[in-house]
Amino acid sequence: GAGVSQTPSNKVTEKGKYVELRCDPISGHTALYWYRQSLGQGPEFLIYFQGTGAADDSGLPNDRFFAVRPEGSVSTLKIQRTERGDSAVYLCASSRGSGGNNEQFFGPGTRLTVL
Amino acid sequence: AQTVTQSQPEMSVQEAETVTLSCTYDTSESDYYLFWYKQPPSRQMILVIRQEAYKQQNATENRFSVNFQKAAKSFSLKISDSQLGDAAMYFCAYRRINAGNMLTFGGGTRLMVKP
Repeated sequence: GAGVSQTPSNKVTEKGKYVELRCDPISGHTALYWYRQSLGQGPEFLIYFQGTGAADDSGLPNDRFFAVRPEGSVSTLKIQRTERGDSAVYLCASSRGSGGNNEQFFGPGTRLTVL
Repeated sequence: AQTVTQSQPEMSVQEAETVTLSCTYDTSESDYYLFWYKQPPSRQMILVIRQEAYKQQNATENRFSVNFQKAAKSFSLKISDSQLGDAAMYFCAYRRINAGNMLTFGGGTRLMVKP
């Protein structure tokens, strides 16, 4: 079975542009998480999906950030009007369920660079 | 809010020797999970070891073991017989049991292994 995959691996964009980052979770995993990891820091939580719905989006920094998971599998993180401060590695993780005993499996991340 | 602190930005160990990475956390919860993750240059987070706070016995996984001091809110990772492949960033993380499933990470410790 394949692990969590994320595309693209690297994305370079210009300030003000719109970007989409994709996450393919492990098949059958109902819970999906997005984290952001700035250079030299630990990952920070952005949003968590249980099925198709966002169960907790308290980590999204502002309304330029939005994420969807329309069919309960693939998720897309969308960033509007990108700023240089958005440059980071965006990590996705999935787990079999949302209970605390379920391990989160991480993807390799997308490195976003905003020029 | 929960916080996780790793006070050692970098650590170095000789191959085959033992090294201990420190982690402290702050929480008002009585039950929770604690984790150590390894992040190699490939960026993919790999779970090393997990501890349930209600268990008094320290978790062990082969060469990896923890020293969990609940009253002191301390959770250190000991790596025995260090190998070159252990070189990576190590992150300590906290997760609540029931309310919210996101991980709260520390800032990380870079471990270097000298041959």
